[in-house]
This record gives sequence, structure tokens and C-alpha cells, in this order.
Amino acid sequence: DPKIIQKPKYLVAVTGSEKILICEQYLGHNAMYWYRQSAKKPLEFMFSYSYQKLMDNQTASSRFQPQSSKKNHLDLQITALKPDDSATYFCASSQEGANERLFFGHGTKLSVL
Amino acid sequence: AQSVTQPDARVTVSEGASLQLRCKYSYFGTPYLFWYVQYPRQGLQLLLKYYPGDPVVQGVNGFEAEFSKSNSSFHLRKASVHWSDWAVYFCAVSMGGADRLTFGKGTQLIIQP
Repeated sequence: DPKIIQKPKYLVAVTGSEKILICEQYLGHNAMYWYRQSAKKPLEFMFSYSYQKLMDNQTASSRFQPQSSKKNHLDLQITALKPDDSATYFCASSQEGANERLFFGHGTKLSVL
Repeated sequence: AQSVTQPDARVTVSEGASLQLRCKYSYFGTPYLFWYVQYPRQGLQLLLKYYPGDPVVQGVNGFEAEFSKSNSSFHLRKASVHWSDWAVYFCAVSMGGADRLTFGKGTQLIIQP
């Protein structure tokens, strides 16, 4: 059974729209992350949260907003979608910091038309 | 800024043959180094990690990696590959603590029968 659940698996959106990517982890971890994997770039770190607090943000655009309603949830809201936002978005978690073992979800593949 | 280079986008080996996947890093100081594997349609999984100490690190499924400070490298090796090793392999570097991981572009490993 997957311990990190990402919904949906596939998502198609039109330019200018808004979407929310869901992530829930059932590993009891305190830290959660978002990474992005696109065809043109390596796997890129976006955000890290620890105990529901933002720890690190490497995403320049404010169109990307993480939301943590519960300790084991870290959703990603993306507004004003652009075709360049097309990528697979991976949620991950770890017990403490990033240098503990990261566990990744299966990803949400977003296509913006 | 730290960076990781995986010079080979794709490596093809015969089943049963030995394997080396290359990873070079750029970093000031002593890095923490990782190899992650991504099987088809799955999220990334940790293979092994290096913390300052013994330069040869053993991982799961017969994989090992060797840290070389003089060469700024952290190559992944396996004595005999199996068809189930068909996957994308990512090298990553971190400063330690809560610092984020920086990933390379990945190497696609293809196994020939």
C-alpha cells in the first residue's frame, strides 16, 4: 500500500486556470516536501515544511502556494497556470530533515494546454 | 551553489554484466551524497546515502557507491545487473542538516537480455 498518496495521478488544465495537487502521508513523518520533474530540467526542489511550518522555498513564483491543513497533508495550489508549468510534481516526506531518507509519492503529472 | 552532474543520460548493459553510473558533484566543504532510483511509474526510492566517513557505501539490492573527494565523484556500482534494475537513477547532494537535496538529471539504465 502506498504510504504517500498523491491525487490526482494525471491532471490536464487550461492556461490561466487554477489547480490543487493533493498530498497525504501516512508514515508519521514531520517534514514534507514538493519537487518538480520536467522534461527540460532535473528534479527540482520547490518547498519544504516541518511541523506544518514553511522551512525552505526555492520557487520564485508566488503562483505556487503550499497548504498544510494537517500535519500529514501538504497540498500545492497553482494559480494562473502556464504551459511551462507542465511537469510531474512529486510530494515527499521524511522523519526530520532532508538528510534523512526521503519517501516519495508516485507523482501528479500535470499538463497545461 | 552546489550542483550534480550525471554525464550519461542513458546507459545500456547486458543482464549479468557489471555496472557503473557516474556522478560528479560541485560543492564547497564535505557533502552528503545520495543515490535514488525511480522504477517505471513510481516515485523515487533511496538506494544508498553517504555521510562523512567510510568512502564506500553499501546500499540495497547489491548496489554500492564510492565517494572520492579528489575527483568530486560519487559513482554507483553493481557487480551483476538484473533486468529488474531497469530504472532511472538519480544522484543528489546536500549540505546536511535540513538542507534541501539537489538532484542530477538522472541516468536511464537499460538492460539487454
